[in-house]
Formats: sequence, C-alpha cells, structure tokens
Amino acid sequence: AQKVTQAQTEISVVEKEDVTLDCVYETRDTTYYLFWYKQPPSGELVFLIRRNSFDEQNEISGRYSWNFQKSTSSFNFTITASQVVDSAVYFCALIHTQGGSEKLVFGKGTKLTVNP
Amino acid sequence: DGGITQSPKYLFRKEGQNVTLSCEQNLNHDAMYWYRQDPGQGLRLIYYSQIVNDFQKGDIAEGYSVSREKKESFPLTVTSAQKNPTAFYLCASSASYIEQFFGPGTRLTVL
Repeated sequence: AQKVTQAQTEISVVEKEDVTLDCVYETRDTTYYLFWYKQPPSGELVFLIRRNSFDEQNEISGRYSWNFQKSTSSFNFTITASQVVDSAVYFCALIHTQGGSEKLVFGKGTKLTVNP
Repeated sequence: DGGITQSPKYLFRKEGQNVTLSCEQNLNHDAMYWYRQDPGQGLRLIYYSQIVNDFQKGDIAEGYSVSREKKESFPLTVTSAQKNPTAFYLCASSASYIEQFFGPGTRLTVL
C-alpha cells in the first residue's frame, strides 16, 4: 500500500529559526515521485518540489532545502531562517501508478506557524 | 495566463440539493483530478480523468459524479446522496509524472 506520513501536525517557531518538516513514505514501486506542496491561508496548493526515486541528491532553493533518503524512506523539508510568510500548511505527497494511471497520495499535512 | 480556475469560490447548499462545482484548465493537460479537504485530513481523491470521455473513481467517490466532455473542463456534482458535503474542494490537472497544478478551490457549506 502507498502511504505518506507527516508525524508533525503543527509546528510553531519564531522568525529566523530553522525548521524541518518530516515526511516518511511507503511504497512497493521501484519508480516513484515525491512532492512537497505549500498551502497558504488562501487555500490554493503551491508546488514546491518534485523528486524522482532515482535521484537522491539533496536540493537547495534559496531558504528551502530537501533531504531525500531512500534508506529510511524519508523526504524531509527544511526552511532556513524562517519568515512569517512561510506560515502555511505543508503537504508531502507520493505518486504511484495503479492500472496505468497516476494517483497522488498525500500526507495529512504539517501546519507551520512562524511568529514575529 | 495559463492555469486552473474554479468557480464559485464559496457555495452554499440546502440539504437534498445537487450542486455542481466548475473546474476549467487551459494548460492542455490530459489528466484532471478532484480532491476533498477536511480539517486535519489532508487531501482525498474523489474522481480523476486521464482522457476525455473517461474517468475513474478515487477513494471517496460515493455521493459525487463527474463528466469529462471536453479536455479543458471537469465539473464535479455533489449529489444529495453525499451525507456530509461540507468541505473544501480542490481541482487539479497534470501532464504525465509532472506535478499537479491546483486551482484556488471551492468551499462548500451545507445549510
């Protein structure tokens, strides 16, 4: 079965702190894709990153970085020097194929609050 | 601008009524999806369509129906059989193995 677990329901930090959002996944597929999305209070999901199962290189984009480790089935997301605008719900997701179709499986999300 | 539009932003339904949520995309994506979001539940897949005139049930299809007569449109009808329809509904589209692009969502409330 495909499953994504985000154990942290809510996190609260003070501005400029670093924060890591955890994501653990389960899949039997050898080829899969992992995603992170941001959902600000407006509600629309914003794509942040896609990673395929064959690429374990960590990625950095500005204050955002991602650590993908197949050995532990984890795809963690770190925000460095957090800002108030980072406050949102963050979702980790996994794409798997089922009968030739692609279905995103989402974690339940982590609500991040960055206080000034 | 390319993207996904959903309308209306807010929708109120009386018990026993059917309502239809609109989703339109101009990204030329073949696949479209409907999700339901409840507080603390993440997103759950209702229906999806990989191609025009074809669609499949997701994990929570009961009480919902869809159609896909045009590539750019994938309306969702919430029927009276859906006993707890109050939720936030998100539509998405994608090209194969590329990220799904999401619309702004429709918040449905049953009065």
